[in-house]
Amino acid sequence: SYELTQPLSVSVALGQTARITCGGNNIGSKSVHWYQQKSGQVPVLVIYRDFNRPSGIPERFSGSNSGNTATLTISRAQVEDEADYYCQVWDSSARGVFGGGTKLTVL
Amino acid sequence: EGHLVESGGGLVRPGRSLRLSCAASGFTFDDHAMHWVRQAPGKGLEWVSGISWNSGRADYADSVKGRFNISRDNSKNFLYLQMNNLTTEDTAFYYCAKDSGLWQQLVLWGQGTLVTVSS
Repeated sequence: SYELTQPLSVSVALGQTARITCGGNNIGSKSVHWYQQKSGQVPVLVIYRDFNRPSGIPERFSGSNSGNTATLTISRAQVEDEADYYCQVWDSSARGVFGGGTKLTVL
Repeated sequence: EGHLVESGGGLVRPGRSLRLSCAASGFTFDDHAMHWVRQAPGKGLEWVSGISWNSGRADYADSVKGRFNISRDNSKNFLYLQMNNLTTEDTAFYYCAKDSGLWQQLVLWGQGTLVTVSS
């Protein structure tokens, strides 16, 4: 079965750039979606189809996908960006696959 | 964008069954595939099942295949998840989620309903 690998945690200084990776075999050939889940809240879509931002998501959120790694980039990180972030794809059998999640800490 | 409200969770003994419901409003329900995603307390997200707009297609995670059944009633704007032969591994918050189309991104999530399987 298809697997996605994320780092357990990423730390970033306030106002700096955070990058959260999502590794998978030839993930560049798939569409990757990213979800943000703040403590005690439900997940929210922040990036879809690799690099698209839903309305209402700040421009500091961006995404890329190539080869075996997709990346969520948060520029000028704010305290309110502290959350768990999950990447997600659909595998070849149309089953959803989530990465294990990355806890972002803004210092 | 809409609103999703899950119900039907609770405490259940191993081996028993439970049926979850998800009431949808504020959008054209039968324009969208729908999914169930679960999250064990303190753990990550796990996709459980999805169903196309007309129920013509349904897919399941290996962990629930043969035990869970997803369905929908477009006349009532409801999504369901029938869960049979439950095990302690099924303990989780269960979220219903709206697909932007057909197996695309999940654009709207409900607040979740907690299922606890314990003897």
